[in-house]
Amino acid sequence: AQSVTQLGSHVSVSEGALVLLRCNYSSSVPPYLFWYVQYPNQGLQLLLKYTTGATLVKGINGFEAEFKKSETSFHLTKPSAHMSDAAEYFCAVSDSGGSQGNLIFGKGTKLSVKP
Amino acid sequence: NAGVTQTPKFQVLKTGQSMTLQCAQDMNHNSMYWYRQDPGMGLRLIYYSASEGTTDKGEVPNGYNVSRLNKREFSLRLESAAPSQTSVYFCASTRGTGPNNEKLFFGSGTQLSVL
Repeated sequence: AQSVTQLGSHVSVSEGALVLLRCNYSSSVPPYLFWYVQYPNQGLQLLLKYTTGATLVKGINGFEAEFKKSETSFHLTKPSAHMSDAAEYFCAVSDSGGSQGNLIFGKGTKLSVKP
Repeated sequence: NAGVTQTPKFQVLKTGQSMTLQCAQDMNHNSMYWYRQDPGMGLRLIYYSASEGTTDKGEVPNGYNVSRLNKREFSLRLESAAPSQTSVYFCASTRGTGPNNEKLFFGSGTQLSVL
């Protein structure tokens, strides 16, 4: 069965500092992996996803994530945090490949950015 | 475009009362989903509809029913509300038959309290 573990329910960084949000997954099939972001009082938005191909995936707002099969990880990074990055971030894995999987979400990591 | 619209935004129920959460999308999407979000639990899938005329159970379907009224609308019904159903409910949709290849679009959520 597929599952996702996000390490750290809260992460705090200073503006301009590196953002690193950790995600490890378990999957019995080649994984489809996602990062979604939720700004306060809003629904989730897709940041980036990995399906196949290049293991370094670039997303919106300067975020990127690297799929590391040997480590079963899909950590999210951004070189320089901005105040507007404060939000909750969810890693997700699909429960199957192909076109009809459903997403299994991690418990989320709330990112705070200090001025 | 409005995207995914959920009504109501807030609701307070007494234990045993029933209610229907409404969701409509104007993007001609095929698949629609209902999730609940609880603190520290991430998002969990309640029910989904991969195409008009079909519905399937997700991870936490007990106590809920759904109706895919037409391609645009997907409603979630609580027949006899319980305090354990206090949560934030999100409706989402995607163009294909699942979220692997097309991103999920989320509504802004319904905050439900059951007393």
